[in-house]
Amino acid sequence: AQSVTQPDIHITVSEGASLELRCNYSYGATPYLFWYVQSPGQGLQLLLKYFSGDTLVQGIKGFEAEFKRSQSSFNLRKPSVHWSDAAEYFCAVANSGNTGKLIFGQGTTLQVKP
Amino acid sequence: EPEVTQTPSHQVTQMGQEVILRCVPISNHLYFYWYRQILGQKVEFLVSFYNNEISEKSEIFDDQFSVERPDGSNFTLKIRSTKLEDSAMYFCASTAYNTGELFFGEGSRLTVL
Repeated sequence: AQSVTQPDIHITVSEGASLELRCNYSYGATPYLFWYVQSPGQGLQLLLKYFSGDTLVQGIKGFEAEFKRSQSSFNLRKPSVHWSDAAEYFCAVANSGNTGKLIFGQGTTLQVKP
Repeated sequence: EPEVTQTPSHQVTQMGQEVILRCVPISNHLYFYWYRQILGQKVEFLVSFYNNEISEKSEIFDDQFSVERPDGSNFTLKIRSTKLEDSAMYFCASTAYNTGELFFGEGSRLTVL
């Protein structure tokens, strides 16, 4: 069965520090991979997605993610975190035929220390 | 910027009551979805809707649930007889095509007492 695992439930980083949020997936075929962010009181917003091609994808707000097929991973990174990045981050996978049917990880809550 | 809007933001109901959650998707979108997130758990797919019919549904989406697009703009989720375990945040989402970016609403929190 398809699944997504985000090993870190909660991460705290200092403002200006680098960030990496981990995501591992289990999927039979080539997955479509996504990262979403949810700020308090807001809906889920797409940060970036990988469908094919270059395995390093750039997203909004300075985020990037790298697809590593050999490790079944799609980790999210940001070189310098801002206080406004504090939010919950969700990794998700879909099949190529219907990217509206997402399977989500359990989410990682990011706290940013001043 | 166009957005998906959901009402109510929070609803409290008694077990066994019917609840309707409303969503206004982005106007030119054709594919509509409901997801839910029980507190502390993953966001889960409930149902997808296209061309005025359900295109796919999860095991969660049993006979107590129904969806409708009554007037070409609203997209509703009805829970016929709520249970305690229906307490969750319900998210509506829409997209213009089935491989496009999903746009989510802010969610409707349902509390069943």
